[in-house]
Amino acid sequence: AQTVTQSQPEMSVQEAETVTLSCTYDTSESDYYLFWYKQPPSRQMILVIRQEAYKQQNATENRFSVNFQKAAKSFSLKISDSQLGDAAMYFCAYRSAKLSGANSKLTFGKGITLSVRP
Amino acid sequence: KAGVTQTPRYLIKTRGQQVTLSCSPISGHRSVSWYQQTPGQGLQFLFEYFSETQRNKGNFPGRFSGRQFSNSRSEMNVSTLELGDSALYLCASSLQGTRADTIYFGEGSWLTVV
Repeated sequence: AQTVTQSQPEMSVQEAETVTLSCTYDTSESDYYLFWYKQPPSRQMILVIRQEAYKQQNATENRFSVNFQKAAKSFSLKISDSQLGDAAMYFCAYRSAKLSGANSKLTFGKGITLSVRP
Repeated sequence: KAGVTQTPRYLIKTRGQQVTLSCSPISGHRSVSWYQQTPGQGLQFLFEYFSETQRNKGNFPGRFSGRQFSNSRSEMNVSTLELGDSALYLCASSLQGTRADTIYFGEGSWLTVV
């Protein structure tokens, strides 16, 4: 079974600064997807960024980028130029890429609460 | 395009009762999944439906059930409620539930069991 670990429960960053959120995972599969989701106070999970395991290039979405280390099973999220609206819970998630119905499931980490100081 | 819609947003039930939560996926999406979120256990996968068939199931007791209708709308039911069932229940939808699909979430239904 796959597991996702987010060991930092809380982090804080100054507005306009850069912060990195850590995530490690464990799997025996070679093909999978990794995600970072943001959950603001409204509780709606919003996809921030996704990474396909077979792609060596790290994904980037505007101010958000990842550092994907497949061998180390590490998947960190870097937020540049942090904004007040970035304050939320962030979840790292894993999804199998098997060609079957079993890949519909997301396995989440416990999440990290990010606060942004003005 | 409307997002994933969940109703009701908030509800309070008494232990022993049963509850039904509803989810309308994004138009055109045929895969609907349900997750339970609690402070202690985090986010846990309940089940996934595709074309009215349960395709994947998490590790929850039989008190938790669901179904999907021909228009892809889904309901989940919890019978004989326990205090530990108090949680945020999140519904998610995707086009086919396949590997490349993006999964979109609703805002959830807050269930409090007293």
